[in-house]
Amino acid sequence: DGGITQSPKYLFRKEGQNVTLSCEQNLNHDAMYWYRQDPGQGLRLIYYSQIVNDFQKGDIAEGYSVSREKKESFPLTVTSAQKNPTAFYLCASSIQEGTQYFGPGTRLLVL
Amino acid sequence: GENVEQHPSTLSVQEGDSAVIKCTYSDSASNYFPWYKQELGKGPQLIIDIRSNVGEKKDQRIAVTLNKTAKHFSLHITETQPEDSAVYFCAAFGTYKYIFGTGTRLKVLA
Repeated sequence: DGGITQSPKYLFRKEGQNVTLSCEQNLNHDAMYWYRQDPGQGLRLIYYSQIVNDFQKGDIAEGYSVSREKKESFPLTVTSAQKNPTAFYLCASSIQEGTQYFGPGTRLLVL
Repeated sequence: GENVEQHPSTLSVQEGDSAVIKCTYSDSASNYFPWYKQELGKGPQLIIDIRSNVGEKKDQRIAVTLNKTAKHFSLHITETQPEDSAVYFCAAFGTYKYIFGTGTRLKVLA
């Protein structure tokens, strides 16, 4: 069963805490992406990676960090420097310059 | 910078009527235009796409048209059904990344 999985579905963060969102794909895609979605808004690119061990900042990278140690995995860490982290986070993957396919999303809430 | 404008932001239609959502892009290097449907609390799902060498593409009740000269592309849904109610996003793939529109909330009234 191929696809993109994200976990957890819901995540709660306390003030000053770093949290990590998981994204895994078994589609053999080279490229992976993280987006943030706020209510009533479009998708804003946080980070993307076109190949293992390489990634680039998107439009709103401040307060976030990523790693790409394996082709299948692209975890996103929301650091304490991100002052407004409440949002719906979407991971996507694609072949190079191909169609993006999205995971089911993680909703991050602040306690 | 590059952007994609999407209109309208909300659209209500009677069941059985047609719905049209329009997008305009700015990056002339854009060559691929997907449309996504997002249901509440879920990730966007690809419903149709078009490449810059094609002017129109159909898939059952859904069609997409592209006018490269005007940098417009549109989604057409015919014979709308209640299950078509969702948020629809357009996107343009240009220089190494996708630019998304801000979404259209479609409500199909029974």
